[in-house]
Amino acid sequence: SQTIHQWPATLVQPVGSPLSLECTVEGTSNPNLYWYRQAAGRGLQLLFYSVGIGQISSEVPQNLSASRPQDRQFILSSKKLLLSDSGFYLCAWSRQSNTEAFFGQGTRLTVV
Amino acid sequence: GDSVTQMEGPVTLSEEAFLTINCTYTATGYPSLFWYVQYPGEGLQLLLKATKADDKGSNKGFEATYRKETTSFHLEKGSVQVSDSAVYFCALSDNAGGTSYGKLTFGQGTILTVHP
Repeated sequence: SQTIHQWPATLVQPVGSPLSLECTVEGTSNPNLYWYRQAAGRGLQLLFYSVGIGQISSEVPQNLSASRPQDRQFILSSKKLLLSDSGFYLCAWSRQSNTEAFFGQGTRLTVV
Repeated sequence: GDSVTQMEGPVTLSEEAFLTINCTYTATGYPSLFWYVQYPGEGLQLLLKATKADDKGSNKGFEATYRKETTSFHLEKGSVQVSDSAVYFCALSDNAGGTSYGKLTFGQGTILTVHP
């Protein structure tokens, strides 16, 4: 069966510090991968998606970047965090031929 | 662009009450529709889905029917339990042009609290 791992679960970082969140998928190959953000009291917003190694599409302009160094690994990064980067970040995957997405447990990021 | 509108919360019910959470959508293509549930402190879990008009998705006593004529996908449950307390998200994946890459457009979420 397929599983998705996302870490860390919680993170408190000072303004201006770097960020690296990692997500890995097991049990499938060549998945589509996604990063979503859920701001407090709001819905989910798609930040990045990837259909293959090294292929990243950004949905919204922001202070964050994403990379996919391996088929089943998706990394969300920032060089300098802003207060507005606080939120709940969710990684997800889907099969290439299917629109249904499966989510990780999320990372609660607080920038102080 | 695509959008999903779901009823504002929070919704508070007593155990065994009937639940309806309204969801309507706007899409350019032929979307697939989903309901996801988020329990406190956790990620999202797929609750049910429907991929074409008149399909009914169902799971754990929840149901939703894809109504193309009203562009709606309302979530219902006949008798809620305390364990159903969570945030519910309606979402769509638009297949316009045959390629959606599984990108989801979400509604704002509805907080459901069920009291004993």
